[in-house]
Amino acid sequence: GAGVSQSPSNKVTEKGKDVELRCDPISGHVSLFWYQQALGQGPEFLTYFQNEAQLDKSGLPSDRFSAERTGGSVSTLTIQRTQQEDSAVYLCASSPAVRGEQFFGPGTRLTVL
Amino acid sequence: RKEVEQDPGPFNVPEGATVAFNCTYSNSASQSFFWYRQDCRKEPKLLMSVYSSGNEDGRFTAQLNRASQYISLLIRDSKLSDSATYLCVVIEGTSGSARQLTFGSGTQLTVLP
Repeated sequence: GAGVSQSPSNKVTEKGKDVELRCDPISGHVSLFWYQQALGQGPEFLTYFQNEAQLDKSGLPSDRFSAERTGGSVSTLTIQRTQQEDSAVYLCASSPAVRGEQFFGPGTRLTVL
Repeated sequence: RKEVEQDPGPFNVPEGATVAFNCTYSNSASQSFFWYRQDCRKEPKLLMSVYSSGNEDGRFTAQLNRASQYISLLIRDSKLSDSATYLCVVIEGTSGSARQLTFGSGTQLTVLP
């Protein structure tokens, strides 16, 4: 069946521009997570949704980062006024239940020039 | 200090070798433990969960030592296809809400012909 999909797969932007990253979770999955993975590091938690509700955003590194999950399905991660340190791979994961296995999407590779 | 620390690697081993990875975690309240595998420029995928009694899946054996806050992964009879980055993963806390994964930085394994 269809897995988690993310778009775009690659995004190159100029410092100061806003970017929007999209995640399509597996249909019916309740939980959705966003992670940030810098080069040579493991992924780091950004935020968590249970259905439409954003229950934890403690990992967002600054107020330039925000996320939403419309209708409890598709999610977008928005980064405003991008900085070079935002360059990373942004991974989305979904899970069928609060405590279920997380399935990752292929990620969006963001490069801020 | 990172919450999850792994052997820095890289590990370069010949085909057929046995290789072991270690990982320590700092939060004694951590609840669940996993090993994930991540191929180059791909998303992380669950390799196996780690149970207190130790568990085995084919050539892979995982062990947990709660007293020492230590997790290990043993790979026997290494194959070329085992070449990847192995991520030690912990779920911290006891709440029923967010189940975000806390990742180590990963250990890179290359199996040589």
